[in-house]
Amino acid sequence: SYELTQPPSVSVSPGQTVSITCSGNKLGDKYTSWYHQRPGQSPVLVIYQDNKRPSWIPERFSASNSGNTATLTISATQAMDEADYYCQTWDSGAVIFGGGTKLTVL
Amino acid sequence: EVQLVESGGGLGKPGGSLRLSCAASGFTFANAWMNWVRQAPGKGLEWVGRIKSKTDGGTTDYGAPVKGRFTISRDDSRNTLYLQMNSLKTEDTAVYYCTTEWSLAVEESWFDPWGQGTLVTVSS
Repeated sequence: SYELTQPPSVSVSPGQTVSITCSGNKLGDKYTSWYHQRPGQSPVLVIYQDNKRPSWIPERFSASNSGNTATLTISATQAMDEADYYCQTWDSGAVIFGGGTKLTVL
Repeated sequence: EVQLVESGGGLGKPGGSLRLSCAASGFTFANAWMNWVRQAPGKGLEWVGRIKSKTDGGTTDYGAPVKGRFTISRDDSRNTLYLQMNSLKTEDTAVYYCTTEWSLAVEESWFDPWGQGTLVTVSS
């Protein structure tokens, strides 16, 4: 079955840029979405169709998808960006989520 | 305001049943494709399944761990989504979220918004 692999954790200093990767076989041939989930809260859509931002997501968030890796990049990271981040795609009629990456803003 | 509110969670016994509901408001529920996603304590997100709108056939799809045990249905007159959970297992313990699926083409969809979730605990 298809799998998406994310690093369990990444850390960043406030104001710096951080990237979170999501790897899967030929993932670049599929569309990827990203969600963040703050502690105790529900997931929130951050990116859809590889690189599109919903209106409520700041321009600091960007994403790309090519080859076997999708990447979410957060620039000028703020303390409020600290959350778990999940990538998501589809394969053979089923939704696939990555295992999640805990972003810590030090 | 688009809102999804889950209910029906609680304690269930292994082999037993529970039914979850998700009340939708702020959008045309009848046109929406709706999904259930769960999250075991301290774990990541896992897709449970989806139901398409009746105009798109009203068909359902399920993730492998729940196929044959769980059934998703909808009542468009009540703007409500349901998840009937039978033959419960301890590994079904999770917070269950309902969410709306948006798509421009097959297997290109994303989910927004998500409800607040309802906790299901399966234990003897």
